[in-house]
Amino acid sequence: QKEVEQDPGPLSVPEGAIVSLNCTYSNSAFQYFMWYRQYSRKGPELLMYTYSSGNKEDGRFTAQVDKSSKYISLFIRDSQPSDSATYLCARGGGADGLTFGKGTHLIIQP
Amino acid sequence: GAVVSQHPSWVICKSGTSVKIECRSLDFQATTMFWYRQFPKQSLMLMATSNEGSKATYEQGVEKDKFLINHASLTLSTLTVTSAHPEDSSFYICSATGTGTFFEQFFGPGTRLTVL
Repeated sequence: QKEVEQDPGPLSVPEGAIVSLNCTYSNSAFQYFMWYRQYSRKGPELLMYTYSSGNKEDGRFTAQVDKSSKYISLFIRDSQPSDSATYLCARGGGADGLTFGKGTHLIIQP
Repeated sequence: GAVVSQHPSWVICKSGTSVKIECRSLDFQATTMFWYRQFPKQSLMLMATSNEGSKATYEQGVEKDKFLINHASLTLSTLTVTSAHPEDSSFYICSATGTGTFFEQFFGPGTRLTVL
């Protein structure tokens, strides 16, 4: 079983909709969780990080972690066509490399 | 945020040749650099971790004699793909962490390698 599981999509939603992206992980020792956004042929950019259960909000983005069910989510409100990209969840950090999910390809239809 | 650059952004080479990819932290000292590989429609897979002045630590299944990593300074790490073959064609991305960045890794823009 892979350490971080993520549905690759594609996920297509109309502009303005709320997007829900999800990942599950298998190792309870994981401490830090991140969401990265990657445009085609570009390096990933960090959107949000969290290390505790609960919600963290930053503008239109909300990251949610449920350590009891090993489930992490990213919500995007008022989605825009410019949000179309691949969203990668990851765990790890510090001196350790990151373990990424497969990434979900998101398409926001104008 | 901190900036990481990679050079070249893309390279095409013949099978059997070696290719060097540079990763630089432009505005911070990178105590640790990571090299990832990403095949089409796949996720990023960690290849190796390098700390300045010491030997790189490779992930299981990554050939250290084929993928030579040098982290000679706090701002530069290089990945050399030796005797490249078509199956090495991929998107190679580096990332770096430094003092004060803690767990956040700053990623370079990636290098697309095509081996003919």
